Amino acid sequence: AQSVTQLGSHVSVSEGALVLLRCNYSSSVPPYLFWYVQYPNQGLQLLLKYTSAATLVKGINGFEAEFKKSETSFHLTKPSAHMSDAAEYFCAVSLGFQKLVFGTGTRLLVSP
Amino acid sequence: NAGVTQTPKFRVLKTGQSMTLLCAQDMNHEYMYWYRQDPGMGLRLIHYSVGEGTTAKGEVPDGYNVSRLKKQNFLLGLESAAPSQTSVYFCASSPLAGVETQYFGPGTRLLVL
Repeated sequence: AQSVTQLGSHVSVSEGALVLLRCNYSSSVPPYLFWYVQYPNQGLQLLLKYTSAATLVKGINGFEAEFKKSETSFHLTKPSAHMSDAAEYFCAVSLGFQKLVFGTGTRLLVSP
Repeated sequence: NAGVTQTPKFRVLKTGQSMTLLCAQDMNHEYMYWYRQDPGMGLRLIHYSVGEGTTAKGEVPDGYNVSRLKKQNFLLGLESAAPSQTSVYFCASSPLAGVETQYFGPGTRLLVL
């Protein structure tokens, strides 16, 4: 069965520091992978998605993620954190028919 | 273009009461979904629909029913609410073709006492 595991329910960084949010997937077929962001009291919105076209995927707000098949990973990074990046981030894998399985989420805290 | 809207935003129910959550989308999307979000558990799929008049069970369907009588609306019903159904409920929609984005509504916060 396809699933994703997000390591770390909370990640704290200082403003200007590197952001690294980890996601590992389990899939018997080449997966489609997604990162979504949820700001407080809002619904989720798509940051980026991997659909096998390129292993390095660039998303909105300066985020990017690299698909590494050998490590079954799809980690999310941003070179320099901004206060506005504080949110909860979800990794997800597609099950087909547009169905997604979400990870448990990682809350990013950014301190001045 | 309002996207995906959800009604109501917040509701308090007593155990055993029933209610219906309404989701509406104006993007002509074929697929619609209902999720619940609980702390430490991410989003879990309750039911989904691949088109008008169709529904299917997701990961956690027990205690919920759904209907998709019109393409733009997807209703989630709780016939007899239980405290375990206290959660934040999100509706989402997605277009038909390819690996597309799911567009989420703002959520409904439900408290069952």
